[in-house]
Amino acid sequence: DIQMTQSRSSLSASVGDRVTITCRASQTISMYLNWYQQKPGKAPKLLIYSASNLLSGVPSRFSGSGSGTDFTLTISSLLPEDFATYYCQQSYTVPYTFGQGTKLEIK
Amino acid sequence: EVRLVESGGGLVKPGGSLRLSCAASGFTFRDYIMNWVRQAPGKGLEWVSSISSGSTYIHYADSVKGRFTISRDDANNSLYLQMNSLRAEDTAVYYCVRDRSFEFDFWGQGTLITVSS
Repeated sequence: DIQMTQSRSSLSASVGDRVTITCRASQTISMYLNWYQQKPGKAPKLLIYSASNLLSGVPSRFSGSGSGTDFTLTISSLLPEDFATYYCQQSYTVPYTFGQGTKLEIK
Repeated sequence: EVRLVESGGGLVKPGGSLRLSCAASGFTFRDYIMNWVRQAPGKGLEWVSSISSGSTYIHYADSVKGRFTISRDDANNSLYLQMNSLRAEDTAVYYCVRDRSFEFDFWGQGTLITVSS
């Protein structure tokens, strides 16, 4: 199985900060990497697909990059509603696997 | 508007069975791969199973293989998960998820399964 590792389990930041969340795959997954946002008590929401494509309706302050094994999710200027948990997920092959999540907290 | 509504959750004893349902609306259900993803309390996301359009391809996580069965009824826009031989570690919120081929673009609100004596 492909292991997905998010380097930080939690991250503290302030409104207006630029934040980068990283994700590493245990083997190459090309660009089959997605990012989801989850708020407490809610279902996850897709933000970025295929490593760098912004889902329609997602604010442009979110962006994704990377290919192969190393990927990043960047939020250019944090808003209060961005404090949530973010998961990466590989869709290269089954079993589809998720990173353990990075909880973005208010500093 | 795309809607996915899960039902069938609840409390079940270890070794017991439960069948989850997911009612889909707002899109052409038969054209999409569908998945179940679960999340144990306070934990991360775990993909459980997927079923392709036409039920041609079915996949399971090793953790549920041989115990869970995914199925779909395209005539009634419904997805199912039959869960047998349930264990405490199956306790989780189970999400019905639409798959746009390589990404999970719509999620239901989830249904909680608690396996406990």
